[in-house]
Amino acid sequence: DTGVSQDPRHKITKRGQNVTFRCDPISEHNRLYWYRQTLGQGPEFLTYFQNEAQLEKSRLLSDRFSAERPKGSFSTLEIQRTEQGDSAMYLCASSGVRGNPFTLHFGNGTRLTVT
Amino acid sequence: AQSVTQPDIHITVSEGASLELRCNYSYGATPYLFWYVQSPGQGLQLLLKYFSGDTLVQGIKGFEAEFKRSQSSFNLRKPSVHWSDAAEYFCVSSMRDSGAGSYQLTFGKGTKLSVIP
Repeated sequence: DTGVSQDPRHKITKRGQNVTFRCDPISEHNRLYWYRQTLGQGPEFLTYFQNEAQLEKSRLLSDRFSAERPKGSFSTLEIQRTEQGDSAMYLCASSGVRGNPFTLHFGNGTRLTVT
Repeated sequence: AQSVTQPDIHITVSEGASLELRCNYSYGATPYLFWYVQSPGQGLQLLLKYFSGDTLVQGIKGFEAEFKRSQSSFNLRKPSVHWSDAAEYFCVSSMRDSGAGSYQLTFGKGTKLSVIP
């Protein structure tokens, strides 16, 4: 169990640019989640994959956000035309068939700063 | 919609003192309940969870939590705090029945714990 890894750890971008983050879940986990955490708040759910299928999306996920999980392994989260309000920590989590599916394992996150 | 309230934004305790972090949930049925801890530069780590059964739940690092249905509460406790416990603590709930198979979590806003040596 190598844990959930996220890349990059930090990203600074200018408003209007596109950014992409990557998440590698624990290898045998079939469920993958993206959360967003802004300063002083708890993480908020963005989207959920079961294997390669994106089954749930929060209304927080505007049209500028897109997430993929090709082949049910790693996942990417892309933000197009970034805005200053997108500045946040983006967290990825996974859970598996074995063990309780409610027990999510989180990565260390990608901190995005939009200038 | 379910929600989780952590009334205390910031708590400061002396090392060796006891700790209680408050949490109240709002949900029609009894949700699954969790406490996660987030240290600076670290990912969220699960401390403990309550699904059913014994209402006093033991977790890692000497933490425990008690589920009280009558008060819709799930407070976290530790008898003696260590300096390394300084971190942010999140109370979390999840719905028992999820139509899409999603087990998404609803987080409280967190309580930041500072420990005085």
